[in-house]
Amino acid sequence: ETGVTQSPTHLIKTRGQQVTLRCSSQSGHNTVSWYQQALGQGPQFIFQYYREEENGRGNFPPRFSGLQFPNYSSELNVNALELDDSALYLCASSDRDYNEKLFFGSGTQLSVL
Amino acid sequence: AQSVTQPDIHITVSEGASLELRCNYSYGATPYLFWYVQSPGQGLQLLLKYFSGDTLVQGIKGFEAEFKRSQSSFNLRKPSVHWSDAAEYFCAVGLNFGNEKLTFGTGTRLTIIP
Repeated sequence: ETGVTQSPTHLIKTRGQQVTLRCSSQSGHNTVSWYQQALGQGPQFIFQYYREEENGRGNFPPRFSGLQFPNYSSELNVNALELDDSALYLCASSDRDYNEKLFFGSGTQLSVL
Repeated sequence: AQSVTQPDIHITVSEGASLELRCNYSYGATPYLFWYVQSPGQGLQLLLKYFSGDTLVQGIKGFEAEFKRSQSSFNLRKPSVHWSDAAEYFCAVGLNFGNEKLTFGTGTRLTIIP
């Protein structure tokens, strides 16, 4: 049990729709990172938020956006969903100030039809 | 840009046998290296990590990994596998231990047979 919770666990959307995924960080963690894991692939870094500011972004289009709230929980928003967005979305929290390891949640499985 | 290669997509090992999972990386600087395990429907759990010091690193669940700079490798080993070790294993490289993005390999799926 990592203390990182994600919701929902599963989600089905249709192409063109918008989706919001949520992540509750482990207590005391100020950094959250989001990863996309397509079937049969390793996770790919989407972006990271540190103290409510974006702190690095991977090779994902602008329709992938995020927020980090004062309590350090986070959202991942994806607009104009495409079939290739179907994947497991993982969030990971850490304490950047102490260079702590990442703690991953169990993920949200998104299916785009 | 950094990259990670896990050449074995799927490995089958008998329970009690030894295990070695291969990982090769490409990185411009001294890398932070990680091995993660993912059970079905679960997130990633860190097995071990390496940056400097002794090139043989001990992790949780009886796993160890050896860093070989000359071969750009960071192979994961276990002397005797248990049925509960069946999972997907990912090697990853990063800029530090917790703050920057990780680049993952495509994973090796481990099957344990009785």
